[in-house]
Amino acid sequence: DVKVTQSSRYLVKRTGEKVFLECVQDMDHENMFWYRQDPGLGLRLIYFSYDVKMKEKGDIPEGYSVSREKKERFSLILESASTNQTSMYLCASSPLKRAGVGRYNEQFFGPGTRLTVL
Amino acid sequence: RKEVEQDPGPFNVPEGATVAFNCTYSNSASQSFFWYRQDCRKEPKLLMSVYSSGNEDGRFTAQLNRASQYISLLIRDSKLSDSATYLCVVPTGNQFYFGTGTSLTVIP
Repeated sequence: DVKVTQSSRYLVKRTGEKVFLECVQDMDHENMFWYRQDPGLGLRLIYFSYDVKMKEKGDIPEGYSVSREKKERFSLILESASTNQTSMYLCASSPLKRAGVGRYNEQFFGPGTRLTVL
Repeated sequence: RKEVEQDPGPFNVPEGATVAFNCTYSNSASQSFFWYRQDCRKEPKLLMSVYSSGNEDGRFTAQLNRASQYISLLIRDSKLSDSATYLCVVPTGNQFYFGTGTSLTVIP
């Protein structure tokens, strides 16, 4: 059974603080993703990674950075938290693409971290 | 145009009803499609994968219409426990594109 865990369920930080959100998966998945979810906007991709030390920007990378030093761990960093980064942050992982052109495996999500920046 | 679009609803249906949601996608080359279920303040969980014309799992049926570029989710004999938000997901290139979700409430 795939398990994706996130370091905190709820987090409250102050404007300007550096924030670390940790995500760990135990199924040896190559791909890992960070999303934020806001009402009316759905899930938006911040960053993703297909391998250790590899990262790609998603749709909204500004104000965020990531780190993937080990295959099972993908960290999201808010360099200087701002109030507009108050959101639900979801981490996901998935195996490599299936065989066959255009075939993808599904993503497995962690429980989410609800971050409030005051 | 958004990659994936869904009717946000809300859909309020009585127990036992049949309800269908549509999801349109913009990339005609897409070949994988997913429906996720998300309960309030929880993470999305996979409901169904679609790799060909459709898929069926108990009361849930997903159908793909490639010509019109939409995928539908049909729920038969709705239960109170089906109340949730249903997310349509279409991977394209290196990304998974999510719809904003369709809210369903099943009423006793």
